Amino acid sequence: DTGVSQDPRHKITKRGQNVTFRCDPISEHNRLYWYRQTLGQGPEFLTYFQNEAQLEKSRLLSDRFSAERPKGSFSTLEIQRTEQGDSAMYLCASSRGGGIYEQYFGPGTRLTVT
Amino acid sequence: AQTVTQSQPEMSVQEAETVTLSCTYDTSESDYYLFWYKQPPSRQMILVIRQEAYKQQNATENRFSVNFQKAAKSFSLKISDSQLGDAAMYFCAYRSAKEYGNKLVFGAGTILRVKS
Repeated sequence: DTGVSQDPRHKITKRGQNVTFRCDPISEHNRLYWYRQTLGQGPEFLTYFQNEAQLEKSRLLSDRFSAERPKGSFSTLEIQRTEQGDSAMYLCASSRGGGIYEQYFGPGTRLTVT
Repeated sequence: AQTVTQSQPEMSVQEAETVTLSCTYDTSESDYYLFWYKQPPSRQMILVIRQEAYKQQNATENRFSVNFQKAAKSFSLKISDSQLGDAAMYFCAYRSAKEYGNKLVFGAGTILRVKS
């Protein structure tokens, strides 16, 4: 396993700009998750894909957020018209399956909105 | 909705000693999974230990063990022979066993400091 990778690791943007993050999961994992983590808190679930299908979205995922996993491999998370409240660490995780299967986390993308 | 509570924002332990981190959760489900994840400073989160709710036997992974009390909805983590490398933020997490219950629900975390 080469591990879950995320790009970029850090992103500073001005309020109102659009940003896009990429996640490359472990190659044989069909499930991919996005979480958001603010300072001093636990990660909060945003959305989940099984292969290319987006099967669950949190209410946290406002209409400014969109996620895709076009070919069931890498995924992108786009935030439009960023707000200061979007500043957080965005974590991606992947797994072979649900239930007891481990979710492997990437290093995260730290977003700062100025 | 399920919730996970970690009531200890911060804990300290002397190297080679034992420490227990607390976690309680709330759910109406009878079948689920519980996890402890470790997040070292500026590094990615890794799984420490996991427990299936239908198993009465407590999970153990080397120096890490859990005390799972299903009726009390309690899931504490015991770290024996603490090492400097154990210093990290520890998160307790819940996952439903339902078919599409895939997301992890995390607690707020406990910072563990290890003193040499």
